[in-house]
This record gives sequence, structure tokens and C-alpha cells, in this order.
Amino acid sequence: KAGVTQTPRYLIKTRGQQVTLSCSPISGHRSVSWYQQTPGQGLQFLFEYFSETQRNKGNFPGRFSGRQFSNSRSEMNVSTLELGDSALYLCASSLEDRGREQYFGPGTRLTVT
Amino acid sequence: AQSVTQLGSHVSVSEGALVLLRCNYSSSVPPYLFWYVQYPNQGLQLLLKYTSAATLVKGINGFEAEFKKSETSFHLTKPSAHMSDAAEYFCAVSPSGGGYQKVTFGIGTKLQVIP
Repeated sequence: KAGVTQTPRYLIKTRGQQVTLSCSPISGHRSVSWYQQTPGQGLQFLFEYFSETQRNKGNFPGRFSGRQFSNSRSEMNVSTLELGDSALYLCASSLEDRGREQYFGPGTRLTVT
Repeated sequence: AQSVTQLGSHVSVSEGALVLLRCNYSSSVPPYLFWYVQYPNQGLQLLLKYTSAATLVKGINGFEAEFKKSETSFHLTKPSAHMSDAAEYFCAVSPSGGGYQKVTFGIGTKLQVIP
């Protein structure tokens, strides 16, 4: 099976712009989670989608949003970018079972200048 | 609410020495526990997981972890460090009850292996 894929891998944006990141989960996985990783804050949970519904959300401002499509692919959007949004954004997919492990993509490295 | 604490954001060991990365959890119900590894410029990869079967769990690359309920710990060990073990390691917890359960990650521990 193909792993979790994320596009693009690297992105440079200017403050004030918006950005959309994409994640394709492993085939058959209906749960997709997004995380922001920065050196100082570690892995911060953004949100999780299951069957096109957001079922959990982390403590991020409304500038961060996401959605999931019927094929389980997910996108996250960040509007009005700030310098502090520079980070590695990781997507993870999982099966809907107990003790479910998450399978991570390689991440999208976003740099805001 | 569940949480994990990883003691030591940076750990250095000599090549061939014992690796010990500490993780303590807090959960209202017996949890599921995970260790993930992240190599530079990559996503996280599952090393091992505890799901209430054997308390000593063996994972990939020679790593293992022991679930100790009395100490609320799930420390990761490897008898002999290799240079290739240099990476960042994350402990994670998820409640084992029914229904939707969110996974919570620790802050991570960077392992440096000194030749």
C-alpha cells in the first residue's frame, strides 16, 4: 500500500497570504489528523477529520481550517499568514479501531517571510 | 484528561551504550501507549505500541518498552545504541475506552549518539 502523501513538500509564502496544504491518506483509512510541529512547541494537534466531519479541534485560531473529501483526502488552509506559522505541517491517517496507530506523511515545510 | 510527560528534551549516549528515554502518562482509564521516531526531514514512524496485552513490548530496530501501571510509565530502551538511532522520539497516549479517542503526544526527546 502507498503511504500517506502530502503536497507540496516545501512552500514559501509571504506574510498576509493564504496557503492550502493537501494530504492523501493510506487507502482505507478514513481518519485524518493534522499537526503543526515547531522546534519550541513540539507536535501541536490542529484537527481531525473522519468521514468528512471534523470531530476534534486543537487550540488554534480560526485562520486555520480544514476539510475532508468523500475519498478521505484532506486539505488544510491557513489564511492571513503570520511569521509564527512557519512550521512543519504533518498529516496522519489511521483506521477506526482501538489502539489505532497513526501513519504519518513526510510533512509540508512552510516558511513565511 | 490524558497527558504524557517526556523527561529530558535532549539525551546523549555513546555508541554501544544503553538507550533509556523516559515517558510518564496521566490517564483516567488504562491507556494505549505508543512510541514514534522521527528522522530529520521525515514524518513520524511507529516504533511500538502497548494495547493491554504483554507489558513488555518489542518494537522495530531493537527497541522495547515496558508498561508499568504502578509507576504510570512507559520508558523506551535499547541495549546498545547505534549511530542510526539518532533521531527525535515521541511518546503518545490514547484512552482505551470505546468510541472516539484522541491521541496526545509528548514534547519529544532528541537522541544524540556519540561515536
